[in-house]
Amino acid sequence: EDQVTQSPEALRLQEGESSSLNCSYTVSGLRGLFWYRQDPGKGPEFLFTLYSAGEEKEKERLKATLTKKESFLHITAPKPEDSATYLCAVQPTWNFNKFYFGSGTKLNVKP
Amino acid sequence: GAVVSQHPSWVICKSGTSVKIECRSLDFQATTMFWYRQFPKQSLMLMATSNEGSKATYEQGVEKDKFLINHASLTLSTLTVTSAHPEDSSFYICSARGRLAGVSFGEQYFGPGTRLTVT
Repeated sequence: EDQVTQSPEALRLQEGESSSLNCSYTVSGLRGLFWYRQDPGKGPEFLFTLYSAGEEKEKERLKATLTKKESFLHITAPKPEDSATYLCAVQPTWNFNKFYFGSGTKLNVKP
Repeated sequence: GAVVSQHPSWVICKSGTSVKIECRSLDFQATTMFWYRQFPKQSLMLMATSNEGSKATYEQGVEKDKFLINHASLTLSTLTVTSAHPEDSSFYICSARGRLAGVSFGEQYFGPGTRLTVT
């Protein structure tokens, strides 16, 4: 069964304290893995797409990596404005219009 | 690039009335659009997927006669909540994927969402 699990559910960090969010997936053929950021009361904002194991993408303090079983979103020296819920989603090769979303990690960065 | 807008951003309606929510892709051709519902502190729940010019495909448990979806053009999809009731109150979010400058992309871009309150 195709599914996505994100951990932890919630993460509290001090400003500047680096950490990683995990997205584990099982899918019968991975076309793409996507990371989004969602602020309260808003739609998710696209961050990264990863297509193959070993691929890495970076944007400011965020770096996403991908293996055959999981993806990590590394946050380096986070700031309070990085506080949000981070969602990952996988797209299987057998259906381009199918996306499996995880339940998200709620990140709170304290000054 | 790849901007999606939604209108209205919030709406309050009386029980029994219908409400239409618009979703537009502003700078790309949305070949596929998705409609989600999100309850407080929960993740996204996919309601339906639509391809331009085709009937929407609804997820199991979503009433197609209650949530009417139209995707008549490559830039516009609408969700109409018919005979709305208080239990339909929720945050509705659309997303789209498609082509930008002739190049297809796989990721979805989301609209800002519509907060529906049915009294």
